[in-house]
Amino acid sequence: GPKVLQIPSHQIIDMGQMVTLNCDPVSNHLYFYWYKQILGQQMEFLVNFYNGKVMEKSKLFKDQFSVERPDGSYFTLKIQPTALEDSAVYFCASSYWGGDAEQFFGPGTRLTVL
Amino acid sequence: GDSVTQTEGLVTLTEGLPVMLNCTYQSTYSPFLFWYVQHLNEAPKLLLKSFTDNKRPEHQGFHATLHKSSSSFHLQKSSAQLSDSALYYCAANYGNEKITFGAGTKLTIKP
Repeated sequence: GPKVLQIPSHQIIDMGQMVTLNCDPVSNHLYFYWYKQILGQQMEFLVNFYNGKVMEKSKLFKDQFSVERPDGSYFTLKIQPTALEDSAVYFCASSYWGGDAEQFFGPGTRLTVL
Repeated sequence: GDSVTQTEGLVTLTEGLPVMLNCTYQSTYSPFLFWYVQHLNEAPKLLLKSFTDNKRPEHQGFHATLHKSSSSFHLQKSSAQLSDSALYYCAANYGNEKITFGAGTKLTIKP
């Protein structure tokens, strides 16, 4: 079936540094999402993105977070600067339409902030 | 507020026994409900979702029935298989562009 890729699979950085998480969504999908899962906790919505714009974001999506998808390239989540509480697995997802559409998830990027 | 509750964090069953994983939602209106499954070291993927016309969704032997009266969407299977061992998330879409996930239930099937 359709696959979403995420690069890298693991990232270890020092607190205060910048990190960019990359997502290669399903090619004809139009909606893109980021979710955060702290170890042992549930997956939580961060942000969704459509037509070049953020449509909705949760309170977890701090001012240090930003997303973009330049034409034809990765959908990225940038954190600048990082904090210890940003350590988590970040899942990217994409769907062809919104609403009740199936979201296809990537395998996640495990981010460790030291 | 909008939320999804899965009461069991861990469920361990013997192969061949029936499976039932609980899911209830809180909302002032009926959202779209989903079950996602995540096998070890894999991405979560959709298992099944509710229909607006009250049909019962089924996939890979699993089914779930939306009961609006009790705000529930429990996942069931008549006979568990070893390959069903995974993390199961109940999730809801409240008419916007995000999914609200439950805490997840880790299902372990033993021989």
